[in-house]
Amino acid sequence: SQKIEQNSEALNIQEGKTATLTCNYTNYSPAYLQWYRQDPGRGPVFLLLIRENEKEKRKERLKVTFDTTLKQSLFHITASQPADSATYLCALGNYGQNFVFGPGTRLSVLP
Amino acid sequence: KAGVTQTPRYLIKTRGQQVTLSCSPISGHRSVSWYQQTPGQGLQFLFEYFSETQRNKGNFPGRFSGRQFSNSRSEMNVSTLELGDSALYLCASSLGGLNTDTQYFGPGTRLTVL
Repeated sequence: SQKIEQNSEALNIQEGKTATLTCNYTNYSPAYLQWYRQDPGRGPVFLLLIRENEKEKRKERLKVTFDTTLKQSLFHITASQPADSATYLCALGNYGQNFVFGPGTRLSVLP
Repeated sequence: KAGVTQTPRYLIKTRGQQVTLSCSPISGHRSVSWYQQTPGQGLQFLFEYFSETQRNKGNFPGRFSGRQFSNSRSEMNVSTLELGDSALYLCASSLGGLNTDTQYFGPGTRLTVL
């Protein structure tokens, strides 16, 4: 069955450093991958979408890479701030198929 | 521009009953997706509707069904409720769909099954 793993349940980093979150998948051939941010008690907020033919996408302090050979996506937040503390979810999709979320990584940026 | 709205926000039902949840997308959005979120299973995709047609479907039993109206509003129905259906049900809307566009999530409906 399809499986998505995100590097760790929780990640603590110091303010100003780069946070790197990992999303690995098996038994799935995604056409696209998305990253979301979710704060407690709130719905997810869409951050970035990257397609299978794209290697990298950037948006302000965010960068996503997508390696379909390694079956992995990396999500980077540069110059991290305490306001970046949240749970980050990756999700994989393909046309007409199930859209699958990872379990999420809870990021804490310490001042 | 108004965001995605979901009604009701909270709901308590008993086992065996059925429930209908409603989602009003952002004006102009043609895609509505539904999700179930629980502490144990995380966020799981139910289905996506685009212009009144179901375009993608997750791995949920047939008790979970949905539909979309011509004004893009969507409803989700769960029949014969089970205790395990207690969850936060989220919907999201977008212009072009899951594969093309930013998804905007609503605040969710918290369903409790007793």
